[in-house]
Amino acid sequence: DTGVSQNPRHKITKRGQNVTFRCDPISEHNRLYWYRQTLGQGPEFLTYFQNEAQLEKSRLLSDRFSAERPKGSFSTLEIQRTEQGDSAMYLCASSLDTGSNQPQHFGDGTRLSIL
Amino acid sequence: SQQGEEDPQALSIQEGENATMNCSYKTSINNLQWYRQNSGRGLVHLILIRSNEREKHSGRLRVTLDTSKKSSSLLITASRAADTASYFCATDASGANNLFFGTGTRLTVIP
Repeated sequence: DTGVSQNPRHKITKRGQNVTFRCDPISEHNRLYWYRQTLGQGPEFLTYFQNEAQLEKSRLLSDRFSAERPKGSFSTLEIQRTEQGDSAMYLCASSLDTGSNQPQHFGDGTRLSIL
Repeated sequence: SQQGEEDPQALSIQEGENATMNCSYKTSINNLQWYRQNSGRGLVHLILIRSNEREKHSGRLRVTLDTSKKSSSLLITASRAADTASYFCATDASGANNLFFGTGTRLTVIP
């Protein structure tokens, strides 16, 4: 168990550029989640996958955001035409799919800074 | 908007003392979970309590849940400097394990 891995750890980009983050979950975990966390706040749910299927998306996930998990393993989160308000820590988590009451295992996040 | 709120927002104690953090939430839940986050890192799961449970222990941690008041508390006994971190409660309302986090309590344990 190597834990949840996120890359890159930090991303600095200019407003209007596109960015893509990657998350590698714990290998036997079917569920994968994306959260966004701004300074001084708790994480906010964005979306989650069960295997390759994206089952739920938050209203926070505008049409500039897209997430994929093509083979049910790693996932990518892309933000197009970035805005200042997109600056945040983007966290990925994974869990087993054996019903509810499963803890989530988090990566260390990707910190996005928009100049 | 976030589901829960923690109280206090910040807590500073001496090493060896106990720390109590409270969490209130708004809707019915399937379970409530507590997580810890060190600065600049991801969250680490501490303990999960189901909606039909009232109290749970894990090492130096004790969690209570009162569904009638929609509140939970986390007690850390005999605190250590290494317990310094932010602590978040998170609720799973749907059973699909989509978590809604509170605003967190920043705990500082002074050696």
